[in-house]
Amino acid sequence: EVQLVESGGGLVQPGGSLRLSCAASGFTFSDYSMNWVRQAPGKGLEWISYITSSSSKMYYADSVKGRFTISRDNAKNSLFLQMNSLRDEDTAMYYCARVVSSTGTTSWGQGALVTVSS
Amino acid sequence: QPVLTQSSSASASLGSSVKLTCTLSSGHSNYIIAWHQQQPGKAPRFLMKLEGSGSYNKGSGVPDRFSGSSSGADRYLTISNLQSEDEADYYCETWDSKSYVFGTGTKVTVL
Repeated sequence: EVQLVESGGGLVQPGGSLRLSCAASGFTFSDYSMNWVRQAPGKGLEWISYITSSSSKMYYADSVKGRFTISRDNAKNSLFLQMNSLRDEDTAMYYCARVVSSTGTTSWGQGALVTVSS
Repeated sequence: QPVLTQSSSASASLGSSVKLTCTLSSGHSNYIIAWHQQQPGKAPRFLMKLEGSGSYNKGSGVPDRFSGSSSGADRYLTISNLQSEDEADYYCETWDSKSYVFGTGTKVTVL
């Protein structure tokens, strides 16, 4: 069974930093590209970042480009999201998600809540 | 970059059917999409991949009541024999070479 477990969420002040982690199990992590998707309170889903299986390519939504960095450690079956210069509007539940080629997002974690507030 | 358009809400009676629409923007009518369900307070769940031909592949454990179809730029999710647990938000998703995009979601209410 595919399992994705996010951690590292919490309360941070505007301008601060936070690093999210996602522990993957139940599949060969190194074979799959991964996404980070977020959801602000009461709002819809927003894709924010993608990384290929080998980390050869990373892409970002304009809303986080230059502030967030996606990375992975295939040896530790882990995905990361380094978030810098956080803003109030970054307050959201952050989901780690597995991507299958030509299918899209096929598995979701339970989410990690990030609250940016002074 | 493609844009996905969904109506904000839909409702139907218990045991009936409801058909949700996700419309791809001009120039992207042949794109594959995915449908996701998000029940209140829960993480999203992948329902199916849906191609422009109307062919679809469901995720593990998705009930037979869920089906997909397509017509031009429109992608449909039909829920038959509507159950109380189907009350949820439904999102469509697509992608291009450098980004992913979600529709705004349709809230389904079971009457």
